[in-house]
Amino acid sequence: NAGVTQTPKFRVLKTGQSMTLLCAQDMNHEYMYWYRQDPGMGLRLIHYSVGEGTTAKGEVPDGYNVSRLKKQNFLLGLESAAPSQTSVYFCASRKSGWDLAKNIQYFGAGTRLSVL
Amino acid sequence: AQSVTQLDSQVPVFEEAPVELRCNYSSSVSVYLFWYVQYPNQGLQLLLKYLSGSTLVESINGFEAEFNKSQTSFHLRKPSVHISDTAEYFCAVGNQGAQKLVFGQGTRLTINP
Repeated sequence: NAGVTQTPKFRVLKTGQSMTLLCAQDMNHEYMYWYRQDPGMGLRLIHYSVGEGTTAKGEVPDGYNVSRLKKQNFLLGLESAAPSQTSVYFCASRKSGWDLAKNIQYFGAGTRLSVL
Repeated sequence: AQSVTQLDSQVPVFEEAPVELRCNYSSSVSVYLFWYVQYPNQGLQLLLKYLSGSTLVESINGFEAEFNKSQTSFHLRKPSVHISDTAEYFCAVGNQGAQKLVFGQGTRLTINP
């Protein structure tokens, strides 16, 4: 059972470079999320998607773009990386539905990004 | 708007000692509450959740949390910790119909032998 898979696991960028983080889930989940984790800040939501072809802004969307062209994939893009985007990025997914408590979020193992 | 506050960023304890990780929330509507655990170099995993009914919920590895509506708290406890409990613990709040959870800042639990 793969669950939620994130690629790459590690990446080092120079300021101004671009890159895309890939999240893939094999659970047929409708909802997908991108978070960043920083010391003392917990998890902050960047963008999320409630279905194929839809995206929405989270708490800290600036500097990031996302796309959900296929239900199983959610891409996070950095067009021009900045040192402030050095972080650990987590993807999560869950089923849709009103009952949030039953449709728990499943997380990937994370992508550690350093921007120099 | 909902928010979650985890009052301790780090909690060091000795092995076999009891531990309590504190979580307070604010919400204007009925809530669901969760504790997630993140072991070193891994993603988050659900530890336990409060839906409704009994205010005391338990996990399979000996943790428990009690929902206290009057104090808007959902503290996590374990009577005797093990080295393998070393992890970061996140409290989260949501409500029925919500599309996303709100996470706390996390508490790093360190177990000393």
